[in-house]
Amino acid sequence: EVQLVESGGGLVQPGESLRLSCAASGLNFSSYWMHWVRQAPGKGLVWVSRINSDGTYINYADSVKGRFTISRDNAKSTLYLQMNSLRAEDTAVYYCCSGGSCFAWGQGTLVTVSS
Amino acid sequence: DVVMTQSPLSLPVTLGQPASISCRSSQSLVYSDGNTFLNWFQQRPGQSPRRLIYKVSNRDSGVPDRFSGSGSGTDFTLNISRVEADDVGVYFCMQGTHWPWTFGQGTKVEIK
Repeated sequence: EVQLVESGGGLVQPGESLRLSCAASGLNFSSYWMHWVRQAPGKGLVWVSRINSDGTYINYADSVKGRFTISRDNAKSTLYLQMNSLRAEDTAVYYCCSGGSCFAWGQGTLVTVSS
Repeated sequence: DVVMTQSPLSLPVTLGQPASISCRSSQSLVYSDGNTFLNWFQQRPGQSPRRLIYKVSNRDSGVPDRFSGSGSGTDFTLNISRVEADDVGVYFCMQGTHWPWTFGQGTKVEIK
């Protein structure tokens, strides 16, 4: 069974940074694209970023470009999202998901940006 | 960006009755290789999303056969043949043909 476990969320002030992690098991992690998708409280799903299997191809949503950095460590089967210059509008549950169309999702980690 | 428009946004259904959710895209979702990357996700209350259907009509492993997907081009539908209590939640369509991926607003299915 595929398991994705996010961690690293929390409460931060505007302008601060956080690093999210997503630990994967039950799949050949190094073979799959991985993604971050977020969901603001009571709102819909918004794709944030994606990275290909070997980390050589990366895309970001315009809203996070230049502030967020996605990366992966295939030896550790772990996906990361470095979030800098956080804003109130970045407040959301952040999910990682696997594969070309997100066949598996983690439970999410809540990021709250507030002064 | 491709805009995904779902209707209705709220769907009260009687147990055992069918339900249908429409999803329309602002441009064709047919990829250059002929595939159509339209997926459906279910999000039960307090849970993370779960993929139900991929590439328009393919059910994921473990998804009951009362769920089915259909459509082509810009018009897609998720059907539930007989709604059960376990089906309560929000359903999202998502296109994976054009970057960036985009999701519909979600349709909340509840029991009458």
